[in-house]
Amino acid sequence: DQQVKQNSPSLSVQEGRISILNCDYTNSMFDYFLWYKKYPAEGPTFLISISSIKDKNEDGRFTVFLNKSAKHLSLHIVPSQPGDSAVYFCAACRTSGSRLTFGEGTQLTVNP
Amino acid sequence: GAGVSQSPRYKVAKRGQDVALRCDPISGHVSLFWYQQALGQGPEFLTYFQNEAQLDKSGLPSDRFFAERPEGSVSTLKIQRTQQEDSAVYLCASSLIQGADQPQHFGDGTRLSIL
Repeated sequence: DQQVKQNSPSLSVQEGRISILNCDYTNSMFDYFLWYKKYPAEGPTFLISISSIKDKNEDGRFTVFLNKSAKHLSLHIVPSQPGDSAVYFCAACRTSGSRLTFGEGTQLTVNP
Repeated sequence: GAGVSQSPRYKVAKRGQDVALRCDPISGHVSLFWYQQALGQGPEFLTYFQNEAQLDKSGLPSDRFFAERPEGSVSTLKIQRTQQEDSAVYLCASSLIQGADQPQHFGDGTRLSIL
């Protein structure tokens, strides 16, 4: 039972354009959501999070949107840079700081 | 150090051997988690400590897996009688405390290969 799903295994965008990564979840008990970026042979690096009481959180080039009724969240990266090329994981938990449930990841490639 | 440190980075063992993986969390972090990541998949939860107390071990796949954090800081994940399906990257994460928008910070993992 995959409670967090990232349906796009890969995404390719041009440098300077917007990257949109999507994530769906099924467990309505989740109330805290995070995005992590992962380079090869490194651990996941925390990017941005959002609590279920909000519908948007912004940090520099990164914005996360949460649609609770659709059980859907997305990560927007604007403008995209070649250094953003990595695997992006969506994660969710019932309470901030509790065990995370991850999606399968999306490989983002930003072309110069 | 400033981040979560894991050792060894790579471990090769023969089927049936016991292995021990170490995690040094960020100083002062109360919560510590272990995850297992198979190739091409997202990390999957194994177990959780709050200080020295193991509060959740529901993700451990079998009784061959054992984790401890005796002094509430360094943690060790031990796998006994390793099997080929144990081959994966084992990730450790720590967070300051549960609640209040505290993200988990991950180490670079231990890549375990069972021959």
